[in-house]
Amino acid sequence: SQQGEEDPQALSIQEGENATMNCSYKTSINNLQWYRQNSGRGLVHLILIRSNEREKHSGRLRVTLDTSKKSSSLLITASRAADTASYFCATVAFGNQGGKLIFGQGTELSVKP
Amino acid sequence: SAVISQKPSRDICQRGTSLTIQCQVDSQVTMMFWYRQQPGQSLTLIATANQGSEATYESGFVIDKFPISRPNLTFSTLTVSNMSPEDSSIYLCSVEFGTGGFYEQYFGPGTRLTVT
Repeated sequence: SQQGEEDPQALSIQEGENATMNCSYKTSINNLQWYRQNSGRGLVHLILIRSNEREKHSGRLRVTLDTSKKSSSLLITASRAADTASYFCATVAFGNQGGKLIFGQGTELSVKP
Repeated sequence: SAVISQKPSRDICQRGTSLTIQCQVDSQVTMMFWYRQQPGQSLTLIATANQGSEATYESGFVIDKFPISRPNLTFSTLTVSNMSPEDSSIYLCSVEFGTGGFYEQYFGPGTRLTVT
């Protein structure tokens, strides 16, 4: 069964604006990861945040994690048309180091030039 | 990280037939993973393939329907057997890399399967 819920399901913004996507999950985790998928192709790993971390940055990406609320957010700042893609969160269960990823339903982001 | 290729990239198959999907990695890895992504949906893990042992299947997936081979540390195949239109999906393989107990997965480009 799917672990997470993501919202919004779809997001449309103008270039230069910020995009925020949220992810909730149900069970305790070892880490949470965000992936991007362009047009139904392979997934690209964006960032991993450990369960004992609260915030992480990578370029224009900022990820937060609130384990008390079992939720995470991905912020893309100064968005570009090339950021148009589907974004998925995925969790690794507590007690596991790797292996099975449980994916959320994804957010479809459209950035208009 | 790793470079992962899959063959075929897409195929259209008749119901009742089988298709074998290949996944090749440019480095040796212990575990390989096979996922299914149904149209408009997220990814669901089918099975984990370790070299030298039987694949471990997730709930809802069985070996008779999705036999997997893992002959060496850089290669795996997934067969979709006795296909029906419900098997139309993107099938993706992945491998994981990491240190310190935290692993990221790297995905192949996917195989888009349409069953008519």
